[in-house]
Amino acid sequence: DAKTTQPPSMDCAEGRAANLPCNHSTISGNEYVYWYRQIHSQGPQYIIHGLKNNETNEMASLIITEDRKSSTLILPHATLRDTAVYYCIVKGAGSYQLTFGKGTKLSVIP
Amino acid sequence: GAVVSQHPSWVICKSGTSVKIECRSLDFQATTMFWYRQFPKQSLMLMATSNEGSKATYEQGVEKDKFLINHASLTLSTLTVTSAHPEDSSFYICSASETDYGYTFGSGTRLTVV
Repeated sequence: DAKTTQPPSMDCAEGRAANLPCNHSTISGNEYVYWYRQIHSQGPQYIIHGLKNNETNEMASLIITEDRKSSTLILPHATLRDTAVYYCIVKGAGSYQLTFGKGTKLSVIP
Repeated sequence: GAVVSQHPSWVICKSGTSVKIECRSLDFQATTMFWYRQFPKQSLMLMATSNEGSKATYEQGVEKDKFLINHASLTLSTLTVTSAHPEDSSFYICSASETDYGYTFGSGTRLTVV
């Protein structure tokens, strides 16, 4: 599975959109981009995933560049409860393991 | 949605004793479950893949005789930390997949060995 690179930390003002970037320049054609988040002392929570089209659900939007080498997770209106470590993971369709990197620690500030 | 229940949420044990952690898929069957370990301020590290009815597959560097995994049914996998030592103190998390793309995680077990 391709490696991902994320900034170690980000701050976001409450109520504003949080845009979390992820680089995955070695991603191959059958690999999906997954986003999970982990609130302190809890198990990771699934947010969203995509292959090449932009995706949106009730939690977030996922924007994948046309060359698929990077993506952005967007939390449209961040709240204090969105403070967590966000993990961007690339996983092939034939792979059943999720490999976690260091993620981005998002702090939502009042 | 899919729910994975993990028990206990925290446990304190004496050095040299064994501790069992349970992971249950509540509303779906999971042929495969995964066990992770997370040390403070670090990311999740995959320890082993638990397969129903067969032996678990351990990641490199994980002692299979120390971390015993049993996946006797399609809804239950257990991780037993044998002869626990203070360095085994960590946050243990399991996960299971209901679909080809969805992975649900348990709430984790905080193990403290004193």
